[in-house]
Amino acid sequence: GENVEQHPSTLSVQEGDSAVIKCTYSDSASNYFPWYKQELGKRPQLIIDIRSNVGEKKDQRIAVTLNKTAKHFSLHITETQPEDSAVYFCAARSDGNKLVFGAGTILRVKS
Amino acid sequence: DSGVTQTPKHLITATGQRVTLRCSPRSGDLSVYWYQQSLDQGLQFLIQYYNGEERAKGNILERFSAQQFPDLHSELNLSSLELGDSALYFCASSVGQTSYNEQFFGPGTRLTVL
Repeated sequence: GENVEQHPSTLSVQEGDSAVIKCTYSDSASNYFPWYKQELGKRPQLIIDIRSNVGEKKDQRIAVTLNKTAKHFSLHITETQPEDSAVYFCAARSDGNKLVFGAGTILRVKS
Repeated sequence: DSGVTQTPKHLITATGQRVTLRCSPRSGDLSVYWYQQSLDQGLQFLIQYYNGEERAKGNILERFSAQQFPDLHSELNLSSLELGDSALYFCASSVGQTSYNEQFFGPGTRLTVL
């Protein structure tokens, strides 16, 4: 089955700097890659997603890139703000309509 | 607020017991997904129902079962509970049956097994 690895497990950046979180997946048939943000004590919320026929997608300060050959995808957050502090999860859609999640990255933005 | 509701918010029970978690999807959503979130396992997909039918199955234990009713609400039944079942259980809903559709998560039910 699909396996998703996510790095780093924790990331501290200074306000205004960029943050990058990377994920690798094992199943070359996976074709959809969402990113969820979970603030402390809250529910996960979709922030951006990408399908396998696209290499990059941007939404304001957030972008996701996908390298199908290498089977990895990354989340890029520019001009980080304190409200970006949260746990970020990547996921890959595997066979059988399942989303397999990475272990999560705790992002701390220091002001 | 995502529009997905879950009850109860918290549940404390003993090993060997059985509990039922309830989820009401957003208005118009036909799919309900159940996830387990624990500290050491992250977010694990359990099962998906679409319009009353089981659509996809993940790492759901045989002690766990779920169903989706005609009014589209769903229940997750956990039986013969063990300490390791303590976790946050989320349900999520989406409009379509594939996981390409955005999933909207509920607030979760925190289960503590003593």
